[in-house]
Amino acid sequence: DQQVKQNSPSLSVQEGRISILNCDYTNSMFDYFLWYKKYPAEGPTFLISISSIKDKNEDGRFTVFLNKSAKHLSLHIVPSQPGDSAVYFCAASARVGNEKLTFGTGTRLTIIP
Amino acid sequence: GAVVSQHPSWVICKSGTSVKIECRSLDFQATTMFWYRQFPKQSLMLMATSNEGSKATYEQGVEKDKFLINHASLTLSTLTVTSAHPEDSSFYICSARRGDGNQPQHFGDGTRLSIL
Repeated sequence: DQQVKQNSPSLSVQEGRISILNCDYTNSMFDYFLWYKKYPAEGPTFLISISSIKDKNEDGRFTVFLNKSAKHLSLHIVPSQPGDSAVYFCAASARVGNEKLTFGTGTRLTIIP
Repeated sequence: GAVVSQHPSWVICKSGTSVKIECRSLDFQATTMFWYRQFPKQSLMLMATSNEGSKATYEQGVEKDKFLINHASLTLSTLTVTSAHPEDSSFYICSARRGDGNQPQHFGDGTRLSIL
C-alpha cells in the first residue's frame, strides 16, 4: 500500500526554467510534508517542509504547495540549475503515527544546460 | 547545523559476521533516531525508530534479533546486523530528529553493506 506516490519517475528541465515535482498521498492523517534531495550513494538532504495548516512555504528558489482537499503537494524550483539534478523524494508524517516518515518512490530530475 | 554522521560508509564482510553501524548527530541532540534500508531503485523503507534510553520500535517484518538497535545517548545510535548473510546486503541509512513535533529528519550518508 503506497501511501505516498510520485507518479513521475523522471523529469528533464532546461536550465533556468521552472521544475515542478509532484506528489500525491492517500492517508488523510498526514499533517507534515517534506521534500528531500538525494544523490547516489548519499543520504537524503532536507530541502523544505510544510505543515498542514499552511498551503505554501517558500525558501529561496524552492517553494512547496499543499492542496489538502486533493491530497497533493508539489515542489517548485525556479530557476533550475544544473546542481539541482538529483532524485527528489517527498515524505509525509502524522502525529498519530509517531511522526515516522513515509517516503514516495522518488523523481529523478535532470537539468539540461 | 543539523549534521548527521554515519560510519562506516562501506563494509564488505563474510557471511556470518556481525556488523555495527554508528549514527551520530554532530551538532544537535537527537531525541529520536531512525534506521532505514534502501534497495536499488526503491524508496527508503523504515526499519525501526529509537528513542534515547528506551527500546527501539521495529516495523512489521523487521527481525529484532537480527537488527539490534541501541540508542544510548542523545547523539549516538547503533545498528548491529547480526550473523549477516548475502540477503542482508543493502544500503542502510540513519536519520536523527531534534525535539518533538514537526521537525525534519536529517540523514547520514548511509552505509553500503555487502555480504560475501
